[in-house]
Amino acid sequence: GQQVMQIPQYQHVQEGEDFTTYCNSSTTLSNIQWYKQRPGGHPVFLIQLVKSGEVKKQKRLTFQFGEAKKNSSLHITATQTTDVGTYFCAGLFLSSGYSTLTFGKGTMLLVSP
Amino acid sequence: NAGVTQTPKFQVLKTGQSMTLQCAQDMNHEYMSWYRQDPGMGLRLIHYSVGAGITDQGEVPNGYNVSRSTTEDFPLRLLSAAPSQTSVYFCASSYGDAENEQFFGPGTRLTVL
Repeated sequence: GQQVMQIPQYQHVQEGEDFTTYCNSSTTLSNIQWYKQRPGGHPVFLIQLVKSGEVKKQKRLTFQFGEAKKNSSLHITATQTTDVGTYFCAGLFLSSGYSTLTFGKGTMLLVSP
Repeated sequence: NAGVTQTPKFQVLKTGQSMTLQCAQDMNHEYMSWYRQDPGMGLRLIHYSVGAGITDQGEVPNGYNVSRSTTEDFPLRLLSAAPSQTSVYFCASSYGDAENEQFFGPGTRLTVL
């Protein structure tokens, strides 16, 4: 089946350190979306990447989509305690029928002050 | 706008009982979906709908039924609850289809004894 692999599963950083999570698919993605879920909360959309090699920034967050549209990354510069949560990527696979999102297992980020 | 609402927030069932998880959205979204979230497993798609009267199975549909008689509502029915269905259930909706930003409800935490 269609799978999106996400690493690492967990990362604990000191406030001010950088953080990166990676997603990888064995087949080409139509697009990739990123979500953040705070502890006890629900996933909240962060961004969508569609084009090959696309790079988007949101303040301290940088999102990249690989040239082959099979991998993506989220990089947070100078983490803050408000960045705590689980970050999910979700890939949309090309399909002749209805497309559905396949979520990675997520990376849980802990930030110590 | 209330966005995506889910009821109940918490539910405890005994094995073999049936129940319906409610999901409603007031954004006139065509696409609605149900996910389950288990520790370390990410979000897995149960069923989805691309519009009123149209539903299809996701990755883990066994033991669940859905229907979509209106644009606003997308209930998830557990036919005969099993302990393996203990999970957090999220409903999501989006404009158009899965390629767009997904709006998640607050979730229902279900325990099956």
